[in-house]
Amino acid sequence: DGGITQSPKYLFRKEGQNVTLSCEQNLNHDAMYWYRQDPGQGLRLIYYSQIVNDFQKGDIAEGYSVSREKKESFPLTVTSAQKNPTAFYLCASSIRVFTYEQYFGPGTRLTVT
Amino acid sequence: QQQVKQSPQSLIVQKGGISIINCAYENTAFDYFPWYQQFPGKGPALLIAIRPDVSEKKEGRFTISFNKSAKQFSLHIMDSQPGDSATYFCAASKETSGSRLTFGEGTQLTVNP
Repeated sequence: DGGITQSPKYLFRKEGQNVTLSCEQNLNHDAMYWYRQDPGQGLRLIYYSQIVNDFQKGDIAEGYSVSREKKESFPLTVTSAQKNPTAFYLCASSIRVFTYEQYFGPGTRLTVT
Repeated sequence: QQQVKQSPQSLIVQKGGISIINCAYENTAFDYFPWYQQFPGKGPALLIAIRPDVSEKKEGRFTISFNKSAKQFSLHIMDSQPGDSATYFCAASKETSGSRLTFGEGTQLTVNP
């Protein structure tokens, strides 16, 4: 089955700890994205990557970091510098950056206490 | 100028009724207007999309109406079913020049049996 996988589905961390969210795709898409979703708000872009070894900040990149060492993988690290990290995180991909349909993964719900 | 405003925030419809969700945008350069459907705990999935060269697009019970002069577009769900209960997001982008998707705030639709 082609698609995007995110793990884990639920993640709990103590304040002050860094945490890495996994995102893998087997769609052979060049572009990948990370969005944050909060209740009553639209999806907000954190980071995106057009191609391997390249990534760009989105609208709310502060307190987050990413890497793109493989075409299939685009992990997101939520650092202790992120002031309000509790949220639902969505990974997506598309054939090319910002064109065509974006396919979303099932999301990871991160709770930081 | 990049905003997309979506209304209502929540909507309750009886089975068999028509659900209508509206979006308004500011940037006249937008040329791609998708609607995404998201079930609880899942990632959004593309439902239907329209480009400004047509005023209406229909796929099954789902119809997008587009008013270029008013800078508005809407989703109509005919014969709404309990299985349609989900959060719906409109979005817009300048696909031809590769710009990011700008999402509306989302509408939580509940269809009562």
